[in-house]
Amino acid sequence: DAKTTQPPSMDCAEGRAANLPCNHSTISGNEYVYWYRQIHSQGPQYIIHGLKNNETNEMASLIITEDRKSSTLILPHATLRDTAVYYCIVRVEAAGNKLTFGGGTRVLVKP
Amino acid sequence: NAGVTQTPKFQVLKTGQSMTLQCAQDMNHNSMYWYRQDPGMGLRLIYYSASEGTTDKGEVPNGYNVSRLNKREFSLRLESAAPSQTSVYFCASEPLQGWIYTFGSGTRLTVV
Repeated sequence: DAKTTQPPSMDCAEGRAANLPCNHSTISGNEYVYWYRQIHSQGPQYIIHGLKNNETNEMASLIITEDRKSSTLILPHATLRDTAVYYCIVRVEAAGNKLTFGGGTRVLVKP
Repeated sequence: NAGVTQTPKFQVLKTGQSMTLQCAQDMNHNSMYWYRQDPGMGLRLIYYSASEGTTDKGEVPNGYNVSRLNKREFSLRLESAAPSQTSVYFCASEPLQGWIYTFGSGTRLTVV
């Protein structure tokens, strides 16, 4: 699976959009981009994933560049409860194809 | 509530003791995984089971064994605990189609 690069930390104001970048320049054609987050030592929680099209769900939006070498997770109206470590992962969708976690981005939402 | 259940939630062991961490899921998921997370670090894969009856090593398998008891249950055993195994252990499961992991709440293990 391709490796990803994320900034180690970022701050965000409550109520504002949080834009979390992820670089995956070596991604291959059949690898999906996944985002998970981990709130204060709880088990990681799935947020969203996509292949090439932009995706949106009730939690977030995922914007993938046309060349698929980078993506951005958007939390549209960050709340204090969004303070967490966010992990960007790329993987092929196949049974037993494990998620490999990097360091993630530590996001602090401030009042 | 449907999900992944891990027991125990906390455990303190003495060096050399053995124990088994239990994980069960009630979502009829095919694949199950064991990760460890050391303070300030990301999760590292210990072992996984792509389907009932199969297990494979992950990134950091030394010092651990696993058993996929049935489709629901995947246990992790420490035969002779060492202080380096002090960590938070997470179990996860994944359906055959859907490709989204569900994680348990973790077992916090301290080896003294």
